[in-house]
Amino acid sequence: QKEVEQDPGPLSVPEGAIVSLNCTYSNSAFQYFMWYRQYSRKGPELLMYTYSSGNKEDGRFTAQVDKSSKYISLFIRDSQPSDSATYLCATMFSGGYNKLIFGAGTRLAVHP
Amino acid sequence: GAVVSQHPSRVICKSGTSVKIECRSLDFQATTMFWYRQFPKKSLMLMATSNEGSKATYEQGVEKDKFLINHASLTLSTLTVTSAHPEDSSFYICSARVGGIGGRYNGGYTFGSGTRLTVV
Repeated sequence: QKEVEQDPGPLSVPEGAIVSLNCTYSNSAFQYFMWYRQYSRKGPELLMYTYSSGNKEDGRFTAQVDKSSKYISLFIRDSQPSDSATYLCATMFSGGYNKLIFGAGTRLAVHP
Repeated sequence: GAVVSQHPSRVICKSGTSVKIECRSLDFQATTMFWYRQFPKKSLMLMATSNEGSKATYEQGVEKDKFLINHASLTLSTLTVTSAHPEDSSFYICSARVGGIGGRYNGGYTFGSGTRLTVV
């Protein structure tokens, strides 16, 4: 079993749609949960991170973590063509300089 | 914000030659840097973790002698692909952790822009 599972898609939505991206993880000891966006042939950029359970909102983006079900979500409201990218969830343990553990990444295409 | 500069962005080399990829932290000190490999439409695979002034820690299955990592200063880490072969063709990305009070994570892993290596 992979430590972080993520459906690779692709996911295609019309402009303005609400997008829901999800991951599940296996180790209950993970404490930090991140979402990265990666455009083609570029390095990932951090969108949001959350510590433990709960919600976090930043503009059109909302990250949710449910530790009881080991479920991570990213919602994108009013999606734009510029949101077309690969979205990677990641997690890590608390403390120290631990490595990130990534999901497979979901390719999202928002068409006008 | 913290920036990691990665060069070259793209390189094509002949089979059997070596290629060096550099990552520099421009406005912060990177005690630890991570090197990833990414295949088309796949996620990032951690290859190794490099700590300034010490030997890199390689992930299982990664050949230490093929992928040489040097982290000689707090602002520079290099990955050298030795005797490259077509199967080494891939997208290589470095990442550094930025700050965090008392070591507490603050979302501060920053990535380089990646290097696309093509071995012909």
